[in-house]
Amino acid sequence: GNSVTQMEGPVTLSEEAFLTINCTYTATGYPSLFWYVQYPGEGLQLLLKATKADDKGSNKGFEATYRKETTSFHLEKGSVQVSDSAVYFCALKETSGSRLTFGEGTQLTVNP
Amino acid sequence: DTEVTQTPKHLVMGMTNKKSLKCEQHMGHRAMYWYKQKAKKPPELMFVYSYEKLSINESVPSRFSPECPNSSLLNLHLHALQPEDSALYLCASSQVDLIAYSYEQYFGPGTRLTVT
Repeated sequence: GNSVTQMEGPVTLSEEAFLTINCTYTATGYPSLFWYVQYPGEGLQLLLKATKADDKGSNKGFEATYRKETTSFHLEKGSVQVSDSAVYFCALKETSGSRLTFGEGTQLTVNP
Repeated sequence: DTEVTQTPKHLVMGMTNKKSLKCEQHMGHRAMYWYKQKAKKPPELMFVYSYEKLSINESVPSRFSPECPNSSLLNLHLHALQPEDSALYLCASSQVDLIAYSYEQYFGPGTRLTVT
């Protein structure tokens, strides 16, 4: 079956530090990959996506590249802000079907 | 507009009450979803509607009853819930998948449910 493994948290960084949150996946087909962010007390927001190998998703300074050879989709940001403090979920979806498979989530705290 | 709205934002109910959660989207999406999320965990899929028909029920207890009255609305009827059902209930919507492309799901803000 499909699975997503995320870097364990919590992650604590100082403002302007470089962020990497690791995500690897197992899937039988050619999934699409997503990063969602959940701010405290809110629902999930789509942060970025990639639908095929070597695609790079980017949004709000965050980037992730779909690496089929390493089955990875690591999230990066060059300079984090306090407002980036949230839980980040990596997820995959098979080409056909509607089911999202989520990782366990990574709590990020950015201190001023 | 990529907004999914959910009401109420918070709900407290006793174990003998009947209540309903409501979800609405106006993006023309034909797939709608209910998820349950416990603290510090990822969302768990409960139900999927595709073209207003129930397509997935993840073996959810019958005290949760979904309804999709039209393509923009999704309800979740609650009856005789247990304290362990307390959670954040999230609604999501998406375009319906076509072969070789995978559409993202857009989530609402959720309803925080407490069962006493």
